Amino acid sequence: EPEVTQTPSHQVTQMGQEVILRCVPISNHLYFYWYRQILGQKVEFLVSFYNNEISEKSEIFDDQFSVERPDGSNFTLKIRSTKLEDSAMYFCASSPWTDTDTQYFGPGTRLTVL
Amino acid sequence: AQKVTQAQTEISVVEKEDVTLDCVYETRDTTYYLFWYKQPPSGELVFLIRRNSFDEQNEISGRYSWNFQKSTSYFNFTITASQVVDSAVYFCALSETGGGADGLTFGKGTHLIIQP
Repeated sequence: EPEVTQTPSHQVTQMGQEVILRCVPISNHLYFYWYRQILGQKVEFLVSFYNNEISEKSEIFDDQFSVERPDGSNFTLKIRSTKLEDSAMYFCASSPWTDTDTQYFGPGTRLTVL
Repeated sequence: AQKVTQAQTEISVVEKEDVTLDCVYETRDTTYYLFWYKQPPSGELVFLIRRNSFDEQNEISGRYSWNFQKSTSYFNFTITASQVVDSAVYFCALSETGGGADGLTFGKGTHLIIQP
């Protein structure tokens, strides 16, 4: 069964550094999403992406964040200058064209900012 | 604004017991979608079910069942004859208008512990 994949599984970075988290959504899915989950807390929506542009974003998704679909398969989340509070699990999700209301999540990337 | 409340932070039961996870939601929209996701210790989020606001029929899938009460904004999840493998954090989530662009609003999750 097709799955959303994310790389790396764990990323450690120094405060102030840029990081790029990568996702490969399920093939033929149309909508892509990023969420984050700070340790022990709930999952929070960051941004949705459709047709090569942002559809919706939360107040968490400030100018430090950006998303891109650089090719036909990858979907990336960039954090320009990481802060300690960016440490979290970041989940990518995608929705199929046959069921745009259901989101299928990847395994997550744990980001640790030191 | 939309809100999802899972009042039960942690539930611990002995294997084979039935357990119900509560979810209460708030929304101003008349069209919305409700979800349950499972997060096992390995950390991934596993989709379990989606219901839309027009479909109040309860649903059963194996040992899992869902009770949707629109009048009281409840969307509860029951596991019958629980097993150790059911141990996980379970999240209830809401999407207000659907259509694919909307982010999900999650509750804080209920940590379910099934003891052998």
